[in-house]
Amino acid sequence: DAMVIQNPRYQVTQFGKPVTLSCSQTLNHNVMYWYQQKSSQAPKLLFHYYDKDFNNEADTPDNFQSRRPNTSFCFLDIRSPGLGDAAMYLCATSRERHGTDTQYFGPGTRLTVL
Amino acid sequence: SQQGEEDPQALSIQEGENATMNCSYKTSINNLQWYRQNSGRGLVHLILIRSNEREKHSGRLRVTLDTSKKSSSLLITASRAADTASYFCATDARSGGSQGNLIFGKGTKLSVKP
Repeated sequence: DAMVIQNPRYQVTQFGKPVTLSCSQTLNHNVMYWYQQKSSQAPKLLFHYYDKDFNNEADTPDNFQSRRPNTSFCFLDIRSPGLGDAAMYLCATSRERHGTDTQYFGPGTRLTVL
Repeated sequence: SQQGEEDPQALSIQEGENATMNCSYKTSINNLQWYRQNSGRGLVHLILIRSNEREKHSGRLRVTLDTSKKSSSLLITASRAADTASYFCATDARSGGSQGNLIFGKGTKLSVKP
């Protein structure tokens, strides 16, 4: 049974055209994360929500925004995608925000920017 | 700055052989986790080792942690073609506003040939 679902799996957008990626979870976890992963690189945390509390990483560009309308759903909005934003975007959840908590990842959305 | 660094970056072995991957990190940690990522997919949690533990086993996986050297190793015994994937270590940020967040290394790409 899918626990963390990401839609779409593949997204193509044009340079500067806003795009929204979706993540949903059936685990009822408090924390939802968004990571950016470029080819052969480590996943890089963009931000996370602890319940409704939004936590942005210091080096996340303003071009990236997020919304969490309820426990189950979280969205990543890229306001004006540039060529450098082409990457795999991974959503993850964890029960709490402790380093001992396992993070459960979705399959990712591969974003292509033309 | 990146916390974990895995080596080797890529490893190619024959089925049945053991695979050893290493991870080094820079600052004190509470625990260290290993994750696996199949090509184009999300990450899957494999094992967590706490800072007061030296070794942990899970099936064909064996993880060691040497906090004095700030390093960890992941050993996969009797490898199978299905073990082909990238393997990432992840450490938790021990203090500050990012406490509980995971910082991933660049990963080791393992290829197991049948």
